[in-house]
Amino acid sequence: DQQVKQNSPSLSVQEGRISILNCDYTNSMFDYFLWYKKYPAEGPTFLISISSIKDKNEDGRFTVFLNKSAKHLSLHIVPSQPGDSAVYFCAARKTGTASKLTFGTGTRLQVTL
Amino acid sequence: KAGVTQTPRYLIKTRGQQVTLSCSPISGHRSVSWYQQTPGQGLQFLFEYFSETQRNKGNFPGRFSGRQFSNSRSEMNVSTLELGDSALYLCASSHGASGPSYNEQFFGPGTRLTVL
Repeated sequence: DQQVKQNSPSLSVQEGRISILNCDYTNSMFDYFLWYKKYPAEGPTFLISISSIKDKNEDGRFTVFLNKSAKHLSLHIVPSQPGDSAVYFCAARKTGTASKLTFGTGTRLQVTL
Repeated sequence: KAGVTQTPRYLIKTRGQQVTLSCSPISGHRSVSWYQQTPGQGLQFLFEYFSETQRNKGNFPGRFSGRQFSNSRSEMNVSTLELGDSALYLCASSHGASGPSYNEQFFGPGTRLTVL
């Protein structure tokens, strides 16, 4: 049962344009959401997060939006840069489970010149 | 500060064998979590250890086990290996404090296990 879903396995965007990565979840007990970025041969690195009490969080070029009623979150990268090419994982945490994260299957972003 | 280290980085085993993977967390971190990454499945949570005790557990069979030592280093063991156990095994460390706040997890580079 995939509780966190990333339905787009890949996305290609031109440099300078906006990249939008989407994530859906099914479990209403999730209270904290994160995005991780992963390069080949490296572990995932934390990118940005959002608590369920907010609907938006920004950090430089990265913005995460949360729509609780739709159980949907998205990551916007503006402007996209070639160095952003990586696999992006959406993850969620259930209240009270501290470090246990439930991950989506990832979206491979390719930023082209 | 040194990051999370995992050894070995690559491992090849045959079906039926057992394997032990090691993870050294960031200094001062007391929580170590293990994840399995396979194509199409994303990262799946195996278990978390905090202060030498298993605190959370995922939905994996009993062939997958772990432990944590007093210096917070952790090992993961898989017995009676199956072909489907071929994966990237990642460990992540965090401060691990309990409560509503999320403890940011820092991942190691992973151990690539191939079962033939």
